[in-house]
Amino acid sequence: GAGVSQTPSNKVTEKGKYVELRCDPISGHTALYWYRQSLGQGPEFLIYFQGTGAADDSGLPNDRFFAVRPEGSVSTLKIQRTERGYSAVYLCASRTASVAKNIQYFGAGTRLSVL
Amino acid sequence: GNSVTQMEGPVTLSEEAFLTINCTYTATGYPSLFWYVQYPGEGLQLLLKATKADDKGSNKGFEATYRKETTSFHLEKGSVQVSDSAVYFCALSDRTGANSKLTFGKGITLSVRP
Repeated sequence: GAGVSQTPSNKVTEKGKYVELRCDPISGHTALYWYRQSLGQGPEFLIYFQGTGAADDSGLPNDRFFAVRPEGSVSTLKIQRTERGYSAVYLCASRTASVAKNIQYFGAGTRLSVL
Repeated sequence: GNSVTQMEGPVTLSEEAFLTINCTYTATGYPSLFWYVQYPGEGLQLLLKATKADDKGSNKGFEATYRKETTSFHLEKGSVQVSDSAVYFCALSDRTGANSKLTFGKGITLSVRP
């Protein structure tokens, strides 16, 4: 079946603008994660959803970052008043409800460039 | 908190050479350990995993053994191919809760020459 889909693949914006990044997880996967990968670094956790609710948002760097998953499937990461330091690849991952399986499947990411 | 440390890169090898990529971790509790790979132009893919001490994960000729006494999960392959050129990430997941978020190392770029 289809994997995790992220759109757009690239997003260029200006400092101070608002952006939305979309993630479409694997069908049936109830757990969804957002990570941010800066150049030369490994991905860093941002937020975790179980179903519709954000079960852990401890990785969000500040209140300009917000994510929703209203129907328990597609998720949108929203960033307000973007800064140049927010330029990174934003990754989405999903997995089944079974923690025992614990395999996260990643999308190709959205490369955000803030000019 | 949890952390993963990978050896510094990049690494360049000739085809058929032996590969070792070191990974050590710090964790509260008893984590699961993973190696993820990112091929050029593609997303992160799970390469192998291990969930308890002395477990060996293996896939595509790669192996890694969960060593609790040395808190390590080194990746090895006996004979690398040009197609193994990629970025390799070591990661851990804390199994104490339902979150299972991943903590990654910085990654290391492997280039294999023909």
